[in-house]
Amino acid sequence: QVQLLQSGAEVKKLGASVKVSCKASGYTFTDFSISWVRQAPGQGLEWMGWISAYNSNTKYAQKFQGRVALTTDASTSTAYMDLRSLSSDDTAIYYCARCCGPYGGDWGQGTLITVSS
Amino acid sequence: VLTQSPGTLSLSPGERVTLSCRASQSVGISYFAWYQQKPGQAPRLLIYGASNRATGIPDRFSGSGSGTDFTLTNSRLEPEDFAVYYCHQYGRFPYTFGQGTKLEIK
Repeated sequence: QVQLLQSGAEVKKLGASVKVSCKASGYTFTDFSISWVRQAPGQGLEWMGWISAYNSNTKYAQKFQGRVALTTDASTSTAYMDLRSLSSDDTAIYYCARCCGPYGGDWGQGTLITVSS
Repeated sequence: VLTQSPGTLSLSPGERVTLSCRASQSVGISYFAWYQQKPGQAPRLLIYGASNRATGIPDRFSGSGSGTDFTLTNSRLEPEDFAVYYCHQYGRFPYTFGQGTKLEIK
């Protein structure tokens, strides 16, 4: 069965960077794209960006342009989300999800990133 | 921008409910989804392509709409249906989510 397994929770200092991984299994990794979505405590879902696992094309929400980088490693079927210059507003659960349509039901378990001073 | 209404709804099990989502620009019918999220869980796909139920979703859930107006209907609320619901468009970048509608037990 399809599984997206994300890396574990992290605590980061203000201004630091974080890299979250998302290892896919149960399907051909390069046949689908991956979206990254985050959810701050008590808040709604926020789309961050998208990456094609086939050719590594990326699209980012304007809010995160210049601060986020999405990459993939087809050899390990893993997607990565790198977020720089962290502030307290970046404290959230970060999700990867297979895109889209009927495949949009495949989400990682979420990774809690806590940013503190 | 996707705008959901209402923000919160208080209903009883057994009732019928319709949730709305309005897009600021037309969304291709094939590229619209609804998710359900319960506390501490990842979102669960209910509907994709505006009206197609995802695998394993009970037929009390149905989706409809086109252009800028979409709806999710639950024909008979079960206790496990009380959750937050999000609409989502994946037809044009940036993909977006609505702000959510919380369905609570009356």
